[in-house]
Amino acid sequence: QVQLVQSGAEVKKPGASVKVSCQASGYTFTGYYLHWVRQAPGQGLEWMGWINPKSGGTNFAQKFQGRVTMTRNTSISTAYMELNSLRSDDTAVYYCTRVGTYSSAWYYFDYWGQGALVTVSS
Amino acid sequence: DIQMTQSPSSLSASVGDRVTITCQASQDISNSLNWYQQKPGNAPKLLIYDTSILETRVPSRFSGGGSGTEFTFTISSLQPEDIATYYCQQHHDLPLTFGGGTKVEIK
Repeated sequence: QVQLVQSGAEVKKPGASVKVSCQASGYTFTGYYLHWVRQAPGQGLEWMGWINPKSGGTNFAQKFQGRVTMTRNTSISTAYMELNSLRSDDTAVYYCTRVGTYSSAWYYFDYWGQGALVTVSS
Repeated sequence: DIQMTQSPSSLSASVGDRVTITCQASQDISNSLNWYQQKPGNAPKLLIYDTSILETRVPSRFSGGGSGTEFTFTISSLQPEDIATYYCQQHHDLPLTFGGGTKVEIK
C-alpha cells in the first residue's frame, strides 16, 4: 500500500534552517510528483511547491522562492524539503503529498504524509 | 493567483441533515476543483476531484457540483463521523490554492 512517512517534529530558533524528509513506499517513487503543503496552527492549508522525483525539477510558490529547497534521493525513495531563515510564522505542520496521476505535475493529492510539526521559537 | 473563498467558515447541523458548502474562485477554473476532508490531528483526505468525481471508497452521501467560478460540496445526510473541516482546492493553475476551510459540527 502507498505510504508517505515523514520525519519527526523539530524545534528551531529564528534564522535557522529545517529539513523535513518524506519516505515513500508502495509505488514507483519516480513516477509521481510530490508536493509540500503546510498548515499553521488553527489555520488553513498553504501550498509550497513541488518536486519531480524523476528529474529533480522543482517549482515553488513565489512566497517561498529563495528560501526553500526541495530535493530527493531516488535510491531510498525519499524527498526532502528544506526551509531557511526560519521565522516564528513558519511554525506549522508540514505535509508531503502525492499527485494522484502518473507523471502529472499537479492535479489532486491522493496520499499524504502524517505531517511534521516545525516550531520556530527563541 | 487564484483566490478561493469558502462559505460558511463553520456550520452546525443535526445528524441526517443535508449540508452544503460553497467555494468561489476569483476567476474561471472550469471544473478544476478538488475537495478534502481533514479531521483534527490528521492529514487531509481526498474526497472529490474535478468538481464531482468521487474518490474510491468515499461514501456516496458526499457529492460536488458547479463549474467556472461557483462550486458546491454536499453531504446528503450528515453522519457523526463527518465532523471535520472541509477544504476546496483549485488545480487550474499554479500556485495551487485552497479555500479557507469550513468546519462542520454536530448540533
